[in-house]
Amino acid sequence: QQQVKQSPQSLIVQKGGISIINCAYENTAFDYFPWYQQFPGKGPALLIAIRPDVSEKKEGRFTISFNKSAKQFSLHIMDSQPGDSATYFCAAGDTGRRALTFGSGTRLQVQP
Amino acid sequence: GAVVSQHPSRVICKSGTSVKIECRSLDFQATTMFWYRQFPKQSLMLMATSNEGSKATYEQGVEKDKFLINHASLTLSTLTVTSAHPEDSSFYICSAPVQTRGYTFGSGTRLTVV
Repeated sequence: QQQVKQSPQSLIVQKGGISIINCAYENTAFDYFPWYQQFPGKGPALLIAIRPDVSEKKEGRFTISFNKSAKQFSLHIMDSQPGDSATYFCAAGDTGRRALTFGSGTRLQVQP
Repeated sequence: GAVVSQHPSRVICKSGTSVKIECRSLDFQATTMFWYRQFPKQSLMLMATSNEGSKATYEQGVEKDKFLINHASLTLSTLTVTSAHPEDSSFYICSAPVQTRGYTFGSGTRLTVV
């Protein structure tokens, strides 16, 4: 019930391409779906988050697509840059009542 | 706003000693603090949840006598790794929920036990 499944485990994209990372959840009590970017040796940094009342949210080059009926959400990074090379985690939570449940992470490498 | 300051960022200790990690909420009151552990190339795994003024709740498999959590005030939560061993070497991260804004994370503590 608490699992969040993330794929792919790793991703290589050419500069300027689109990076797509997918997540699926089981617990319908989740109402907050953030994506985090993490560089080696650093804590996770919030990229973008969505709540289930909308199907898409865009902030700059980052877009979350959310499918409530399928219990899936994805991160799209447009015009991927070498500086985007990092590990990305999806997560799901219930508005602070409990801790976030994290996906297993995706290591993104953007080749110049 | 909603910043959690975590210290130290890195610590190396000898096997058998204890290490304390502090997380302070700088501009808000953190009634709850979540503590995560992250091993290399793995995800963040919740260790425990602390609530101000009460005992922490530990996740299954986490030794409460080894990982002591204190949340004595609304701005400070601490994690003490007692009798540390090399297998406790990891990245420890705290996080607090922020009303209407989700969650905020500390910058993490890299613990190396030698």
